[in-house]
Amino acid sequence: DAGVIQSPRHEVTEMGQEVTLRCKPISGHNSLFWYRQTMMRGLELLIYFNNNVPIDDSGMPEDRFSAKMPNASFSTLKIQPSEPRDSAVYFCASTLDATNEKLLFGSGTQLSVL
Amino acid sequence: GESVGLHLPTLSVQEGDNSIINCAYSNSASDYFIWYKQESGKGPQFIIDIRSNMDKRQGQRVTVLLNKTVKHLSLQIAATQPGDSAVYFCAENMAGGTSYGKLTFGQGTILTVHP
Repeated sequence: DAGVIQSPRHEVTEMGQEVTLRCKPISGHNSLFWYRQTMMRGLELLIYFNNNVPIDDSGMPEDRFSAKMPNASFSTLKIQPSEPRDSAVYFCASTLDATNEKLLFGSGTQLSVL
Repeated sequence: GESVGLHLPTLSVQEGDNSIINCAYSNSASDYFIWYKQESGKGPQFIIDIRSNMDKRQGQRVTVLLNKTVKHLSLQIAATQPGDSAVYFCAENMAGGTSYGKLTFGQGTILTVHP
C-alpha cells in the first residue's frame, strides 16, 4: 500500500498567490482529513470528509481557505490569496471510515509564503 | 476549550533504557486516545491507541497506560533505541465514535536517545 500521497512536498510562493495542495488517500479509505502543523499551534484539524462530503470545516481559519473532494481518491486544499501566516506544514490523513480508528498521515506539504 | 497537554517537552535517555512519555488530558468525555511518533520531515506515524474502556494496551516494545481517574495517559517504550528519537504526540478523540480521525493533539515531547 502506497499510503496517503501528498503533493507537492514543498511549495514556496509569494503573498497574494493562489496555492493548491493535493492529496490521494489510501485506497478504500472513505474518510479524509486535512491538518495543519505550526510551531505555535501544533497540529490542528482544518476539515474532514466522509464519503467525499465535507462534515466539519470549523477548523478552516477563514474564507481564504477552501477544500474539495471531487472523488474518493482525490482532495485539494486551496488558499487564495495566500499570506505569510499561512506558512506551515499541511498534512492529509485518512481512515477506513468514520467509525474506524488509526488515522494514517501523509508526508505533508511544507508551505512557505513569502 | 479543553486540550491535551504534556508534562515534559523534552526527554533524554540512554540506549537500552526504558522511556516514559506522559500526557495529561482535561476532557472527561474523550473516549479514544492515540500516540504518534513524528520524525523530522515526516508525517505523524501511528504507534498505539487505546479506548477509554481499557487501562492498558501493549504493542511491540510499547505500552500505553490510561488513568481516567486523574486524566493521564502515558507511553512506555522498552529498550529504547536511537531510532526511537523523535517527537511523540498524544491525541484524544471526543467524537464519541462518530469520527475517530477527528483528533485534538498535545504539544509533543522530544525524545532523544543517546548511544
